[in-house]
Amino acid sequence: DGGITQSPKYLFRKEGQNVTLSCEQNLNHDAMYWYRQDPGQGLRLIYYSQIVNDFQKGDIAEGYSVSREKKESFPLTVTSAQKNPTAFYLCASSMWLPGLPTLNNEQFFGPGTRLTVL
Amino acid sequence: AQSVTQLDSHVSVSEGTPVLLRCNYSSSYSPSLFWYVQHPNKGLQLLLKYTSAATLVKGINGFEAEFKKSETSFHLTKPSAHMSDAAEYFCVVSRLGDDKIIFGKGTRLHILP
Repeated sequence: DGGITQSPKYLFRKEGQNVTLSCEQNLNHDAMYWYRQDPGQGLRLIYYSQIVNDFQKGDIAEGYSVSREKKESFPLTVTSAQKNPTAFYLCASSMWLPGLPTLNNEQFFGPGTRLTVL
Repeated sequence: AQSVTQLDSHVSVSEGTPVLLRCNYSSSYSPSLFWYVQHPNKGLQLLLKYTSAATLVKGINGFEAEFKKSETSFHLTKPSAHMSDAAEYFCVVSRLGDDKIIFGKGTRLHILP
């Protein structure tokens, strides 16, 4: 089955600790994304990557970091600098057609990770 | 600047009756518009997408949406609601040229038996 997996489903962290959320896809998509979802806020883009070893900040990148060493994987680290990290985090991927904007394409979403900071 | 407004945070309809979820957008250029559905504690799934072809777009599960440029609207409709339609729905706009995407705040659809 092709799809996107995120792990873990639930994550608890103490204040001051960094934590890494996993995202893997086997859809052969070039582009991958991380979003944060808060109640009543919709989704907000944290980071996205169009190709391996390259990524761009989204609207709320402060306190987060990413890497894209492999096409299939796009892990997100929530650092201690993120002031309010408790949220539902969604990873997505899409095809990237050269010459067309990445964010115009349909995105396929993972099931999400709910992070709670204690 | 572009933005998207979902006019209702909650909508309740009875099973078997029509569904209307409203979305207005603003965009300086021709936008791409999407509707996604999210069931509780799940990821989002694409319902349908408008990219300047036909103004009436048909999606999955009997949903459709009409792009009305004069009204800057992209409302989602379904003729007859089913209990399985209970979920949160997001209207999304992206703009060709600056590679930016904006999600609406969502409309939670409740289906009454």
